[in-house]
Amino acid sequence: GENVEQHPSTLSVQEGDSAVIKCTYSDSASNYFPWYKQELGKRPQLIIDIRSNVGEKKDQRIAVTLNKTAKHFSLHITETQPEDSAVYFCAATPGGGADGLTFGKGTHLIIQP
Amino acid sequence: DGGITQSPKYLFRKEGQNVTLSCEQNLNHDAMYWYRQDPGQGLRLIYYSQIVNDFQKGDIAEGYSVSREKKESFPLTVTSAQKNPTAFYLCASSMTGGRGGEQFFGPGTRLTVL
Repeated sequence: GENVEQHPSTLSVQEGDSAVIKCTYSDSASNYFPWYKQELGKRPQLIIDIRSNVGEKKDQRIAVTLNKTAKHFSLHITETQPEDSAVYFCAATPGGGADGLTFGKGTHLIIQP
Repeated sequence: DGGITQSPKYLFRKEGQNVTLSCEQNLNHDAMYWYRQDPGQGLRLIYYSQIVNDFQKGDIAEGYSVSREKKESFPLTVTSAQKNPTAFYLCASSMTGGRGGEQFFGPGTRLTVL
């Protein structure tokens, strides 16, 4: 099955600086890669996603890049703000015709004032 | 945040008891999913259903059961065979099953075994 590795587990950045979170996946058949933000005790919420036929996608301060050859994708947050503090999860679709998402273990992003 | 609901928010279970977690959606989504989240961990897939009266095991189905008798509802039963059921349980739905659709999550049920 699919395996998703996510790094780092904790990331602390100064307010206004950029943050980058990286993920790798194992199944070359995966074709959908969402990123979720989860605040403490709340549900995960989709912040951006990318499909395998696209190399980069941006939405205001958030961008995702995908390298299919290397099987890794990254989340970039620019001009970080206090409200960006949360746990971020990357995910990928499984191979073999199965459904559902395989998640990384999460990155706790801390924005220092 | 409406559209997909879970109940109860908190659930306490004695060892040896079965409990059922409710998940309802009014988004007219075909696919529904159950995930388990443990502290410091990502979400892990328990079961999913792409259409009514059909469901498939995910990565950690042992000790769990589901049903999909209605499009709107996908209840999860945690049986006594699940050795470590204390966790945060999240239900999700997607417009279509298969690979590549956004999943919307419910608010979750926190299950504690006493």
